[in-house]
Amino acid sequence: QAGLTQSPSVSKDLRQTATLTCTGSSTNVGHQGAVWLQQHQGHPPKLLSDRNNNRPSGISERFIAARSENTASLTIIGLQPDDEADYYCSAWDSSLHGWVFGEGTKLTVL
Amino acid sequence: QLAESGGDLVQPGGSLRLSCAASGFTFTDYWMTWVRQAPGRRLEWVASINVEGNAQFYGDSVKGRFSISRDNAKKSLTLQMTSLRVEDTAVYYCARDVETGGQGTLVTVSS
Repeated sequence: QAGLTQSPSVSKDLRQTATLTCTGSSTNVGHQGAVWLQQHQGHPPKLLSDRNNNRPSGISERFIAARSENTASLTIIGLQPDDEADYYCSAWDSSLHGWVFGEGTKLTVL
Repeated sequence: QLAESGGDLVQPGGSLRLSCAASGFTFTDYWMTWVRQAPGRRLEWVASINVEGNAQFYGDSVKGRFSISRDNAKKSLTLQMTSLRVEDTAVYYCARDVETGGQGTLVTVSS
């Protein structure tokens, strides 16, 4: 199954702002929105934002998700060392009848 | 919370049954999903099942070999895996929708 498109890596300085993007199609991101997951090395993924761009309880307000047509974005404000992780987007594809994932973006905080 | 179990070392061609126990949320409000991650690789969707348990969807790489099921009374999710291949080696996560909640369970397929 075709996946969503994410940049492989992003590097930003401490306390700066990073914006990660995730491009899909009208049958997935454009249809029902995307979720964002954060995964630290050696740990399971953690949901940062649901399909409606809402943060689950306990997720910092520094993480802001949005969508414009077939592209989803995750903006992280005031980067902290602990934000260094892999970030995945995922969306339900109404044509494939399944979840599709991006390749993940490795965020480095300098 | 979601707690996966059942992962093991199995030979190619073998079978394995994974289980997931759910707690802390209304199980029947959510579709449930299995997601896996091979070492050093991205997350991969494996299978999903609807709330009633009467509709199942599978990724191309596991279609015809894996079977997902759920028991709403017991708040549990199962993945029956057959004809296992080396490339099925991964950590398997149980998820509500696509939100994982446990540590995953490791499946290693090797001779």
